[in-house]
Order: sequence, then C-alpha cells, then structure tokens
Amino acid sequence: SAVISQKPSRDICQRGTSLTIQCQVDSQVTMMFWYRQQPGQSLTLIATANQGSEATYESGFVIDKFPISRPNLTFSTLTVSNMSPEDSSIYLCSVEGGDGYTFGSGTRLTVV
Amino acid sequence: QKEVEQDPGPLSVPEGAIVSLNCTYSNSAFQYFMWYRQYSRKGPELLMYTYSSGNKEDGRFTAQVDKSSKYISLFIRDSQPSDSATYLCAMSAGNNAGNMLTFGGGTRLMVKP
Repeated sequence: SAVISQKPSRDICQRGTSLTIQCQVDSQVTMMFWYRQQPGQSLTLIATANQGSEATYESGFVIDKFPISRPNLTFSTLTVSNMSPEDSSIYLCSVEGGDGYTFGSGTRLTVV
Repeated sequence: QKEVEQDPGPLSVPEGAIVSLNCTYSNSAFQYFMWYRQYSRKGPELLMYTYSSGNKEDGRFTAQVDKSSKYISLFIRDSQPSDSATYLCAMSAGNNAGNMLTFGGGTRLMVKP
C-alpha cells in the first residue's frame, strides 16, 4: 500500500491566519482525499483532489476556506484559511490503494 | 439516522479477552468494508479490508460481514494493552477511488493489563 508523508504534524496558529498542510505520496495516484476529524468525532470528507482539475468539495466546505492544490500525481496541499477556533481539528490526507484507503499521520491544528 | 452507526464506547476489557466491535449501516450499495485502528494523535491505520459477505482472518483479527443484516464485526482475540485505541469502521460502494468512504463514529477500546 502507498506510504504518505504529511506535514506539519501539528501547529498552533493565531486566528485570522492561514496554514498549508502538505501530503507527499510514494507512488502516483489519481485522487487524493482530504478529511477533517474534529475532537472526539469521526472523519468527514472535505474534498477530493484530482491532478489537473479543480478539487471537488463536499457539502459544507468551500474552496475559499479550504483551497487545495494538486500540482502532480504524488503531491497535494490543503490550506485552512482565515482560521477561527472552530477550525481546531485533525486534518488528514488519504489515497486509495486497491486494498483499502491509506491515511497520512494527520496534522493536529489548534487555533487560538 | 446516520448512514453508518457504531457504538462509541468506551469498551473496557481485561487483557486476553475476546473483543467484539460492530457497525450497522443502512445503504445496501455498500460492498467494501474496512476496519481502521487509530491511536491517540495518529492517523487511522488500515486493519482489515473485505468485500461483500463473509469472514476474513488476519492473525488475532477476524472481520465478518453480513450484508443481509447490514452488520459488520471485528473480533480481536487475546486482546493486548497495545490494542487500546479507537476502532473505526468504513465502507464504500465500489473499490476505486471514485467511491466515497463513509465512516462510523468510532469505538474507543481500552484493554487493561
């Protein structure tokens, strides 16, 4: 299965600022997925990132708040923009590997 | 009603016990079923991946799928303190990346020495 390197692993940010999270995959993948996991909750899909096209966002998530880049088949970034304390969550990227989905180790974001 | 229901626990068992974790679902289109283990402050780790109904065994872990009842289970034999984690079930209608993964809410398991 694919190996994903995600960074940063954690960050504490001031409200109103932005944070960009990076995911690097050790193999080429068509789609990469970005999830949010709020404290004590399960995973919620934010968007699906395809290389060469705009990301597809799930209900409740918008591009202005969570812009995504997908410059090639092994890399993607998610930016959390104009942050507020409600954005404090774990953010995870994921890829499909033929025998299930693999996840990055997550970015634990705290907004103060 | 959520599409995938999972008892949040916490489930506390003594070391060596057999653990049973379960999920029910409502979407009959789901055909691929996964169990993930998530340690605190870590990303989910895939434990088991099964297709359609039946059993799959891997070491101390056994996954069961009963599509007629829309019910899946994960059994852990000879549970260890290192099994203490949150267990998430997940499922999808297809096995390619175009099929969205739907998660249960997770069950927190504590195995006491």
